[in-house]
Amino acid sequence: GAGVSQSPRYKVAKRGQDVALRCDPISGHVSLFWYQQALGQGPEFLTYFQNEAQLDKSGLPSDRFFAERPEGSVSTLKIQRTQQEDSAVYLCASSLAGEGAVGYTFGSGTRLTVV
Amino acid sequence: RKEVEQDPGPFNVPEGATVAFNCTYSNSASQSFFWYRQDCRKEPKLLMSVYSSGNEDGRFTAQLNRASQYISLLIRDSKLSDSATYLCVVKRPGYALNFGKGTSLLVTP
Repeated sequence: GAGVSQSPRYKVAKRGQDVALRCDPISGHVSLFWYQQALGQGPEFLTYFQNEAQLDKSGLPSDRFFAERPEGSVSTLKIQRTQQEDSAVYLCASSLAGEGAVGYTFGSGTRLTVV
Repeated sequence: RKEVEQDPGPFNVPEGATVAFNCTYSNSASQSFFWYRQDCRKEPKLLMSVYSSGNEDGRFTAQLNRASQYISLLIRDSKLSDSATYLCVVKRPGYALNFGKGTSLLVTP
């Protein structure tokens, strides 16, 4: 597609439930990033993939968060045993070049609400 | 302390006004600098890169002072459509972009 596609757009989860968020980057984009944006805050880096390799996962807040990109295209961010503090918008971005150059394109995000 | 600090505002200005946003960053090894714009409930979009020599794009002027670790954005002749949150963004060595909290701008008729 023309842009970065994320699904679902909205997700309501009960506390303790597992969720999976999907990102379909722009075709051919090598780099893929996940960010978490809490209400009233700027996006916070979670993790980075270069093709299928997860080169940086330093931003993942706990071991309940897991991301994968097995074939170097679509990526999934999984959150296990969701907590209320996980409520946020999860943004995916992709770019052609490695190392997060200018040219990021963000998806519209998945708004997760944990109740 | 966050790596990128911005005044959250809100800044309420009348149409036609000039408004300036400031931002400071703490990591002196930071490599690249940007301003992003984010409309309500939308994703961030790149507004402009910021260079030490200063750069201009129409009504928007961005400036970087590496010695003071300070970045600015000036908007001249504000339009209603400029109403948004402006995010100061810094890239340090590695992969991540570091975003400030954003400064909210409301341009009123």
